Amino acid sequence: SQQGEEDPQALSIQEGENATMNCSYKTSINNLQWYRQNSGRGLVHLILIRSNEREKHSGRLRVTLDTSKKSSSLLITASRAADTASYFCATSYKQAGTALIFGKGTTLSVSS
Amino acid sequence: NAGVTQTPKFQVLKTGQSMTLQCAQDMNHEYMSWYRQDPGMGLRLIHYSVGAGITDQGEVPNGYNVSRSTTEDFPLRLLSAAPSQTSVYFCASSYRDGEQYFGPGTRLTVT
Repeated sequence: SQQGEEDPQALSIQEGENATMNCSYKTSINNLQWYRQNSGRGLVHLILIRSNEREKHSGRLRVTLDTSKKSSSLLITASRAADTASYFCATSYKQAGTALIFGKGTTLSVSS
Repeated sequence: NAGVTQTPKFQVLKTGQSMTLQCAQDMNHEYMSWYRQDPGMGLRLIHYSVGAGITDQGEVPNGYNVSRSTTEDFPLRLLSAAPSQTSVYFCASSYRDGEQYFGPGTRLTVT
C-alpha cells in the first residue's frame, strides 16, 4: 500500500495561475519530500520538510506540513508551461529514512 | 559527477528469462533503492540498501533479488521474468534521510 495520496489526481491551469496539490499520509514521519517527474523520466527532488517544520519555501514553491492532520500541500506560484509534470509526495519507508514510499501523484498541465 | 547511472535504458525479455539491471552512483551515498513505476502509478519500493553488504525488502520484493558488494553498485536481478514485471525501473541513492537522486530509468518489457 502507498503511504501518500495526492489530491487532485489531475490539475489544469493557465500560465500565471497558482497550482496547489495536497498530500495525505498514514503514519508518523521524520520528513516529507516532494518530487517532480517529467514525461516518465527520473524524479527530481523539489523540497524536503521535516516533521518539526510547518512551512518551507524554495523559489516559487511553498510547502506546508500539518502533522496533526497528516497532510502536506505544495503550492507553485505563477505557474509556467515548464511546470507541466507529475508531482509526488513521499515519506520514509519504515521510518528508516533510507527509502521512500510515494503517492500516485498529481499530474499538472499548464497551458500558455 | 555522473550521479546515478542505470543500464540498459531499454530491455525486452521473454517470459522465464533472467537479467540484471545495473545501477551505479559516484556520490559515495550509503543508501540506495530500487523502485518500479507502472502506468499512472507512483513509484513502489522493491528493495533497498543501507550500506555495502546490507539489503532489505521494500513493498514489492517478490521476483527480485539484490546485492550490495560495494558502495557504488546496486544491481537488481530478475530471476525468471514474468509479464507482470513489465515496468519502468528506477534506482536512487541518498545520504540517510535526505533527498534521493534518481537515475534515468530502465524500461523493461516482458513478453
